[in-house]
Parts: sequence; C-alpha cells; structure tokens
Amino acid sequence: DAGITQSPRHKVTETGTPVTLRCHQTENHRYMYWYRQDPGHGLRLIHYSYGVKDTDKGEVSDGYSVSRSKTEDFLLTLESATSSQTSVYFCAISEPLSAGSGNTIYFGEGSWLTVV
Amino acid sequence: RKEVEQDPGPFNVPEGATVAFNCTYSNSASQSFFWYRQDCRKEPKLLMSVYSSGNEDGRFTAQLNRASQYISLLIRDSKLSDSATYLCVVNGRGGSYIPTFGRGTSLIVHP
Repeated sequence: DAGITQSPRHKVTETGTPVTLRCHQTENHRYMYWYRQDPGHGLRLIHYSYGVKDTDKGEVSDGYSVSRSKTEDFLLTLESATSSQTSVYFCAISEPLSAGSGNTIYFGEGSWLTVV
Repeated sequence: RKEVEQDPGPFNVPEGATVAFNCTYSNSASQSFFWYRQDCRKEPKLLMSVYSSGNEDGRFTAQLNRASQYISLLIRDSKLSDSATYLCVVNGRGGSYIPTFGRGTSLIVHP
C-alpha cells in the first residue's frame, strides 16, 4: 500500500468553524490531490499540487484552500465550514513517469467530515 | 456531455457469471486509462491499467477502443468478493496529469 496518511479520519464540526485536513505521504510523489466524494457525484477534484508551493484549483474549489510547504504534506482547509461540505475527503498522490504516460494515482483512506 | 461516463448500474449477477462494463470518454487526446475498484466506505484502489492491445489479469480483462473512445472491463466467473463499485479513470488530456473519474458502476454478485 502507498504510504498515505490522512488525519483526522473522522470529524464532526459546527457550521462556521475552520477545519483543516492533513495528508501526509512517504512516497516523495510530486503530485498530490484532494477529492471529495458524494452520492450521485462521484469523485470531484477540489485542489491539487504539482510541487512544493505549487497548487491549482479543481472543479469544486470554492470554500476550500490548500497549502503545500513540504513535499510530504498537503493541507486542505475549510475556512468556514458549511453543511454542504459534509462529505468524505480523499487525498491522493501520483508521480507521472513522463509526459502523457500512465499516471497511477493512489488514495489515502479518507476523512469523514460532518458539519452540523 | 461528461468527460467520462459510466452506467451506474447496479449490475446484479449470480456467482459464476460473466459481466462487462463500458466507460466512454469525450476527449480523444486522452492518453492513459485505468480501472479502479472501490468497496463501501473505502478508498478507490487500482484494479488494472488499460492498454491499447488489451490486457488480462486473471479473471479480469480490460480493453481500449480509441476509435470509439471507450474502455471496457470484463469479469469472468464472478465471485461474491467482486461486489464493489468500479471506477473508470482517464488522464493525459493535453499533457495533463490530472485524472478524470467516472462516477462508477456498482456490481452486486449474489449467491
């Protein structure tokens, strides 16, 4: 299994509070991703990083920010949590071998967030 | 049209059956393709990559049809343990390493 650790694994928080989810990898992979998964929507990309301090938005980035100060850590922050952000959040990593080549992506075990 | 489309199912089959899933993708520039398996309340895990020539791993066979822009997954001799959601993944669009996931196809194998 890929060395990816997400924390916390489960969290209940109140609307309006800030929340930070952490993803830690031991694989030294360049790319890291944050996805959320909801019934009827599948996996949706929130933000991704292609290197230290290099991040970009995904399709559902509103209300989320990220930071990557070290290769191994990618943080996802909900500045002011809302009930619509109740979801399971997956971190993922990959290391493209070459331009256009296969890019196997590996997932963490997920973080279940409930906003009440 | 979504970039990657899958029939959500569920496909409900008896043990021992052969079942096939298709996945269509919209961007002809896509360069790499995968099937992932996801169990309930677990993370997706790589099942197999999909190569142009087709590839087989035990009871699982994956194929790519670039002309029609779809990939397929065939499962022979279904086991109860094959019950899961199967996700189609496409990437390499325009040199991008950002994968695009289908919403998944649910498979239920019953005794």
